[in-house]
Amino acid sequence: DIQMTQSPSSLSASVGDRVTITCRSSQSISTYLNWYQQKPGKAPKLLIYAASSLQSGVPSRFSGSGSGTDFTLTISSLQPEDFATYYCQQSYSTPRTFGQGTRLEIK
Amino acid sequence: QVQLVESGGGVVQPAGSLRLSCAASGFTFSTYPMHWVRQGPGKGLEWVAVISYDGSNKFYVDSVKGRFTISRDSSKNTLYLQMNNLRTEDTAVYYCARDDQYNYNAFDIWGQGTMVTVSS
Repeated sequence: DIQMTQSPSSLSASVGDRVTITCRSSQSISTYLNWYQQKPGKAPKLLIYAASSLQSGVPSRFSGSGSGTDFTLTISSLQPEDFATYYCQQSYSTPRTFGQGTRLEIK
Repeated sequence: QVQLVESGGGVVQPAGSLRLSCAASGFTFSTYPMHWVRQGPGKGLEWVAVISYDGSNKFYVDSVKGRFTISRDSSKNTLYLQMNNLRTEDTAVYYCARDDQYNYNAFDIWGQGTMVTVSS
């Protein structure tokens, strides 16, 4: 099974900050990497697929990059509605493993 | 609109059984692989199972193999998860999700989740 490791596990930031979350896979997954946002009590929401493609309707302040084993999610200017937990997931092979999550909190 | 709606969650005793349903609407259900993902209380997301678009292939996370069965009925646009011999560690919110095989198999549509509590 492919293991996904996110860092940091939690992060405090302010509105307007630029934030980067990293995700590493235990083996190469090409660009089969997706990012999800989850708010408390809600289902996850797809933000980025194929490592860098923005899902329809997602604000352009979200971006993704990387290939192989190392990936990043960047939020260029944090907005109040961005405070949530973020998960990476590989869709290269089954089981479709998720990272442990990064909780983004207001500073 | 494109939508998934889960049902069937509840409280069950250890070793009991439960069947979850996920009703799909707004898209051609029979052409998409479908997944179940769960989230224990205060925990992260855990992938549980996948079924191919035609039901011919099914895969499970090791911890549920032999106990859970994923299935689908395209005539009813519904995905199922039959859960037998439930354990306390199966307590979680269970989500169904659509696999967008046209976009790197990302999970582009999710249901709202249904809570399963395994407790004596």
